[in-house]
Amino acid sequence: QSELTQPPSASGTPGQRVTISCSGSSSNIGRNTVNWFQQLPGTAPKLLIHTNDQRPSGVPDRFSGSKSGTSASLAISGLQSEDEADYYCAAWDDRLIGWVFGGGTKLTVL
Amino acid sequence: QVQLQQSGPGLVKPSQTLSLTCAISGDSVSSNSAAWNWIRQSPSRGLEWLGRTYYRSKWYNNYAVFVKSRITMNPDTSKNQFSLQLNSVTPEDTALYYCARVGPTGAIDYWGQGTLVTVSS
Repeated sequence: QSELTQPPSASGTPGQRVTISCSGSSSNIGRNTVNWFQQLPGTAPKLLIHTNDQRPSGVPDRFSGSKSGTSASLAISGLQSEDEADYYCAAWDDRLIGWVFGGGTKLTVL
Repeated sequence: QVQLQQSGPGLVKPSQTLSLTCAISGDSVSSNSAAWNWIRQSPSRGLEWLGRTYYRSKWYNNYAVFVKSRITMNPDTSKNQFSLQLNSVTPEDTALYYCARVGPTGAIDYWGQGTLVTVSS
């Protein structure tokens, strides 16, 4: 069982906006920043959002992140077929002294 | 551009030692603003952080509690790489293993290509 809780699946149609939630605790999301990753089949995770809401260079502004208390969210607007992938949240945990991850959300573009 | 290139065997026998290496280009294993991590992924347990090694005037290691008694990570400054050794492996250690960098933003920003390690006799 993962330390961070994500819904196992999400879906939307092209052009729609979808959000993926990530719930943690006071020792991880409550104290530290959240990263979001996109993983396409057969590839390594790719950093999508860091420091709760910052996009690395090259990531489209359709992707946005937010954090409140011990929860975080990833929003994808203008959904495209190429966004179909697995999405993971992660944060440093001060109690475990290590990184913790969500179980992943499989996004389907209908 | 940082690149991480993993190497090591894809098959390990039960009770033996899993050994992987991650060669770094575009950064230094001795960087004062990076940490070098091993993370694994399996269908049953998802993404699991195993540990990190980093340099801040001296070398530090942190290991995940669930592998702490079996794991060693070492930097190799002469080759600009770092390694993972996991002892006494069982089939439950079968997973896709990744090396990864935590960079100046504090994010896991670069990943290796992944190595599928199967523990089987």
